[in-house]
Amino acid sequence: EAQVTQNPRYLITVTGKKLTVTCSQNMNHEYMSWYRQDPGLGLRQIYYSMNVEVTDKGDVPEGYKVSRKEKRNFPLILESPSPNQTSLYFCASNLFAGANVLTFGAGSRLTVL
Amino acid sequence: QKEVEQNSGPLSVPEGAIASLNCTYSDRGSQSFFWYRQYSGKSPELIMSIYSNGDKEDGRFTAQLNKASQYVSLLIRDSQPSDSATYLCAAHAGAQKLVFGQGTRLTINP
Repeated sequence: EAQVTQNPRYLITVTGKKLTVTCSQNMNHEYMSWYRQDPGLGLRQIYYSMNVEVTDKGDVPEGYKVSRKEKRNFPLILESPSPNQTSLYFCASNLFAGANVLTFGAGSRLTVL
Repeated sequence: QKEVEQNSGPLSVPEGAIASLNCTYSDRGSQSFFWYRQYSGKSPELIMSIYSNGDKEDGRFTAQLNKASQYVSLLIRDSQPSDSATYLCAAHAGAQKLVFGQGTRLTINP
């Protein structure tokens, strides 16, 4: 089944404890991106990647890092999480940037205490 | 900052009626527009895309685009309780990303 898989789905952590949210797609998509969703603010892009080793900042990149060493994986790294990073995170992929259908993962709900 | 604006609702519509969802965008360079549906606790899923001025119909859904007014809308005919969800409008801002509105929460009342 074609899908985007995120882990963990739920996580409660404490301020300053590094964490990684993994994202993997099995559709050979070139384009991958991370969004966060907050009430009243909709989906905001954190980082995106056009292909392996090509990443760039979205609208809200502060406090996050990403890497794209393999085409299928695009992990989101929070080096020192803070409470304002409590949010619902979605990974998404697309055949290529600008293509029609963005496929989303199931979401990762992160709480930083 | 390129923006997409939606009325957050909630919008309440009786079953069988037409639900009308609206969206405006600020970037005149945007060429592609999308409507995503998001059920509570789930991820967004694409339901409609539109690229040209006018109407595009797909089953009970009609997307409308007016580039001169920078306005996109989604009509849902014969609304069903299963249509109750949050609807996200999105516009391409360059090739690299979609800009999403904050979403409109729609409730269909039986």
